Amino acid sequence: AQSVTQLDSQVPVFEEAPVELRCNYSSSVSVYLFWYVQYPNQGLQLLLKYLSGSTLVKGINGFEAEFNKSQTSFHLRKPSVHISDTAEYFCAVYPVSGGSNYKLTFGKGTLLTVNP
Amino acid sequence: ETGVTQTPRHLVMGMTNKKSLKCEQHLGHNAMYWYKQSAKKPLELMFVYNFKEQTENNSVPSRFSPECPNSSHLFLHLHTLQPEDSALYLCASSQTSGREETQYFGPGTRLLVL
Repeated sequence: AQSVTQLDSQVPVFEEAPVELRCNYSSSVSVYLFWYVQYPNQGLQLLLKYLSGSTLVKGINGFEAEFNKSQTSFHLRKPSVHISDTAEYFCAVYPVSGGSNYKLTFGKGTLLTVNP
Repeated sequence: ETGVTQTPRHLVMGMTNKKSLKCEQHLGHNAMYWYKQSAKKPLELMFVYNFKEQTENNSVPSRFSPECPNSSHLFLHLHTLQPEDSALYLCASSQTSGREETQYFGPGTRLLVL
């Protein structure tokens, strides 16, 4: 089984400041990693994903994340945030082995609030 | 239309009502999912359908009844719900190709049970 821990439930930042949203996971098997964003009153939108290869993954809206296998982390970063980035961000993992254990396991989410 | 659509977007129902939520995916995927999102709780996987066959029922009460007539459509039939069932219900779809299966989500149905 897998578990995902998002260390901060809320992150307030000022506009144009850098931000890092932290995600750690636990799994007995290799996993694929995802970040989703949920804007108010909307569903989840895929931001980026790590499958293999380069550990630095670039996504939409200027976000990027780095996979660190030794620390079992997949932190999300943006060098300069905008008011429109205010949303809830979810980290998720999916077992590489798939098969019967195909569940996408989510963290509890981090609410990013960007203030002017 | 593109992606995953859900109707209605908002629903208010009494505990004795019967209603249905609809999900449609336009991505050619073969797997569809129902999730429940309650305040302050992680997303809860409710049901999974793979090639129209239900492959997961995550201990969901029988007052929730899913239906998947084909790979593009998924329904969630609701009856005699409780106030604690008020939540955002999200539908998702993916292509089960034996590799990574990125799930794409709809906008959700916000349900309020009175």
